[in-house]
Amino acid sequence: EVQLVESGGGSVKPGGSLRLSCAGSGFNFDLHSMNWVRQAPGRGPEWISYISSSGSTVFYADSVKGRFTISRDNAKNSLFLQMNDLRGDDTAVYYCARGSYTSSTTYFDSWGQGTPVTVSS
Amino acid sequence: EIVLTQSPATLSVSPGESATLSCRASQSISTNLAWYQQKTGQAPRLLIYRVSTRANGIPARFSGSGSGSEFTLTISSLQSEDFAVYYCQQYHNWWTFGQGTKVEIK
Repeated sequence: EVQLVESGGGSVKPGGSLRLSCAGSGFNFDLHSMNWVRQAPGRGPEWISYISSSGSTVFYADSVKGRFTISRDNAKNSLFLQMNDLRGDDTAVYYCARGSYTSSTTYFDSWGQGTPVTVSS
Repeated sequence: EIVLTQSPATLSVSPGESATLSCRASQSISTNLAWYQQKTGQAPRLLIYRVSTRANGIPARFSGSGSGSEFTLTISSLQSEDFAVYYCQQYHNWWTFGQGTKVEIK
C-alpha cells in the first residue's frame, strides 16, 4: 500500500522558516516524481513545487519561487520542502503528492494526510 | 495560467439520485484532466484521470467525460459516502485546480 506521511508543520512568525518532510513507503520512491501541494482554509488545492524522480529537475509556483526549496533523498525515501521568509498567505495544510506519468505529463495519484502550517505574529 | 471554473459551487442531492458536476478550462487542455474527492479533514483522493479513467478502487458509479475545455463528472446513485467536495485539476500546463463543488445531502 502506498503511504505518504508528512511532518514538520507548525506555527511560525512572519519571516520565519520551516522544513517539511514527507516519508514514502509501499512503492519505488525513486521512480516517481513528487510534488508539494497546499490548501489554505476554505480554498481549493494549490500546486507549489515539483521534483523529478532523480531530483535533477525542480519547478516552483510563482507564489513561492525564491523562498521555498524542494529536495529529496531517494536513499531514505524522503521528500523535503524548505520554507523561508514565510508570510501570512502561506498559512495552509501542506500535502506531498506522488506523480504518476502519462503522455508526457503527470497527475497526482496518491497524497499524504497533510501537515498544517500557520504563519502569524 | 490555466483557470478551471467549476459549477455549481454547491449541489444538493438526495441519496440514490445522480449528480452532474461541471469543470470548464480557460483554454484547451486536451485530455489532461483529473477529478479528486475530498472529505472534511482528509486529503484529496484521486477519482479519475485522463478525463474518464477511474483510479484504482473507484466504483463504477463515478464517470467522467468531456474534451478540450468542457468536462463533466457524473456520480450515479449517490451513496452516503459520496457527499464531499470535488475538485477538477488540469495537468496540461503546470497544475491547477478548480475551486470545488460541494455535494451535500438534500
